[in-house]
Amino acid sequence: DSGVTQTPKHLITATGQRVTLRCSPRSGDLSVYWYQQSLDQGLQFLIHYYNGEERAKGNILERFSAQQFPDLHSELNLSSLELGDSALYFCASSVGVETEAFFGQGTRLTVV
Amino acid sequence: EDKVVQSPLSLVVHEGDTVTLNCSYEVTNFRSLLWYKQEKKAPTFLFMLTSSGIEKKSGRLSSILDKKELFSILNITATQTGDSAVYLCAVEDRQGAQKLVFGQGTRLTINP
Repeated sequence: DSGVTQTPKHLITATGQRVTLRCSPRSGDLSVYWYQQSLDQGLQFLIHYYNGEERAKGNILERFSAQQFPDLHSELNLSSLELGDSALYFCASSVGVETEAFFGQGTRLTVV
Repeated sequence: EDKVVQSPLSLVVHEGDTVTLNCSYEVTNFRSLLWYKQEKKAPTFLFMLTSSGIEKKSGRLSSILDKKELFSILNITATQTGDSAVYLCAVEDRQGAQKLVFGQGTRLTINP
């Protein structure tokens, strides 16, 4: 158990809908990262927050947004969902910005 | 564009064999290289390498980085069936903000 908690574990929703994925980082970690893992693309970095502020953006679609709250938990919002958004979404956390990241168990999103 | 290439993509060996997994990279602003092991869900951190030529070791696993030739190897000796997993290599790119660029992974299968 990495100490990073993601909810829900599984999510099935219809195209066009909006979902929110939640991540609680390890105690003491200030950095939260979001990744998308699909079968054909591998692990793709989406976005990084550090202590509530956005630090880096990767291949994140405009339909997706994220935030990190004062208690350091983070949410990833996915809207106008398409079939291709079906994937495993991982959250990872680290103490700072230059330390190794530890991954949560992921949320499996299925868009039907 | 940052790129991480792992080889082989898939490897099947017998228990007790020694394996070497390769990772080459092209990154504008290299900071570190990380190895992860992914079994069923979340990637588990193995090593972080920042300095060239210094071997990191943990039990039967070891890794080394060559910053001149832009590659790293992960060695596993006396393999066991529990080593079966996807091994991911990731490079940390600074460019003013931190993000990890992942390779496509090597799927390692250890047969008894």
